[in-house]
Amino acid sequence: DIQMTQSPSSVSASVGDRVTITCRASQGISSGLAWYQQKPRKAPKLLIYDASSFQSGVPSRFSGSGSGTDFTLTISSLQPEDFATYYCQQAKSFPLTFGGGTKVEIK
Amino acid sequence: EVQLVESGGGLVQPGGSLRLSCAASGFTFSDHYMDWVRQAPGKGLEWVGRIRKKANSYTTEYAASVKGRFTISRDDSRNSLYLQMNSLKTEDTAVYYCARDLTESAAYFDYWGQGTLVTVSS
Repeated sequence: DIQMTQSPSSVSASVGDRVTITCRASQGISSGLAWYQQKPRKAPKLLIYDASSFQSGVPSRFSGSGSGTDFTLTISSLQPEDFATYYCQQAKSFPLTFGGGTKVEIK
Repeated sequence: EVQLVESGGGLVQPGGSLRLSCAASGFTFSDHYMDWVRQAPGKGLEWVGRIRKKANSYTTEYAASVKGRFTISRDDSRNSLYLQMNSLKTEDTAVYYCARDLTESAAYFDYWGQGTLVTVSS
């Protein structure tokens, strides 16, 4: 199985800050990676797929990069509605696996 | 508008069975692969399994933790997805989400239901 490791597990930031979240795969997954945002008691929401492609309707302050084993999600200017937990997910092979999550909290 | 609505969750004893349903609307259900993803209380996301469409013989994939106990099926005439869960364990306690695959070629989930809670406890 491909293990997905996210860091940090949590980050405290202020509105307007630039936030970067990292996801590392235990083996190469090419660009087969997605990022999701989840707010409390809500279903996850797809933000980015194929490592850097925007899902329809996602604000341009979100961006994804990387390939192989190392990936990043960047929020260029944190907004109040961005405080949530973010998960990466590999789509290269079964079983599909998620990272442990990164909680973005208000500083 | 795409909608996925899960039902069938509840409290069940260890060793028991439960069947979850997911009603789909707002898109051509038969054209999409579908998945189940779960989330234990306070924990992260865990993929449960996938079912492909008719053109791919409705083949399935499962996580090792549920293989042999859970069965995913679908009824395209009813726009519905199912998860039959047998031999339930306490560690199966979670919110179960159905999710639609973005494309056939990559398993990303572009629409999710609101989830249904399954509690396995004596």
